[in-house]
Amino acid sequence: SQTIHQWPATLVQPVGSPLSLECTVEGTSNPNLYWYRQAAGRGLQLLFYSVGIGQISSEVPQNLSASRPQDRQFILSSKKLLLSDSGFYLCAWSVGTGHTGELFFGEGSRLTVL
Amino acid sequence: GQNIDQPTEMTATEGAIVQINCTYQTSGFNGLFWYQQHAGEAPTFLSYNVLDGLEEKGRFSSFLSRSKGYSYLLLKELQMKDSASYLCAVMDSNYQLIWGAGTKLIIKP
Repeated sequence: SQTIHQWPATLVQPVGSPLSLECTVEGTSNPNLYWYRQAAGRGLQLLFYSVGIGQISSEVPQNLSASRPQDRQFILSSKKLLLSDSGFYLCAWSVGTGHTGELFFGEGSRLTVL
Repeated sequence: GQNIDQPTEMTATEGAIVQINCTYQTSGFNGLFWYQQHAGEAPTFLSYNVLDGLEEKGRFSSFLSRSKGYSYLLLKELQMKDSASYLCAVMDSNYQLIWGAGTKLIIKP
């Protein structure tokens, strides 16, 4: 069966510090991978998605970046965090666009920037 | 622009029935999804509608009217564990998911 894990689950970072959130998927090959951010009272905001190794599409221009160094690994990074980067970050995978589009989410990472 | 509207919060009684509405305006349509999200947890898939009509899955049903840009999620025989946020999402013509802000459902004994 397929599983998805992301870490860390919770982190508190000072403004200006770097960030690295990691996500891995097991039990499937060549998944589509996604990074979402969820702010209180707002819908899920798609940050990045990837259809293959090294292929990253950015949906929202900001100080975050993503990388996919391996087929089932997706990393969200920042060189300098802003207060506005606080939120609940979710990694997700799907079997492919044009399919039913059902997403499978990781446990989430709650980031607080102080 | 693209827009998904759903009520912010609803309250219902244990054992009762509740209907959560979702209206949408998107560039194209490739299906509508409902997800359940318990507080502090990740969303989990509930249902998918791409054709008009009602899809039933146990205590949960989802309805779609494409001509009206409207869907609802119907929860029957409510249980305390159904207290959660319910997210409506529409897949647009580019196969991108557009998400509503979610409806927080509070179940009272």
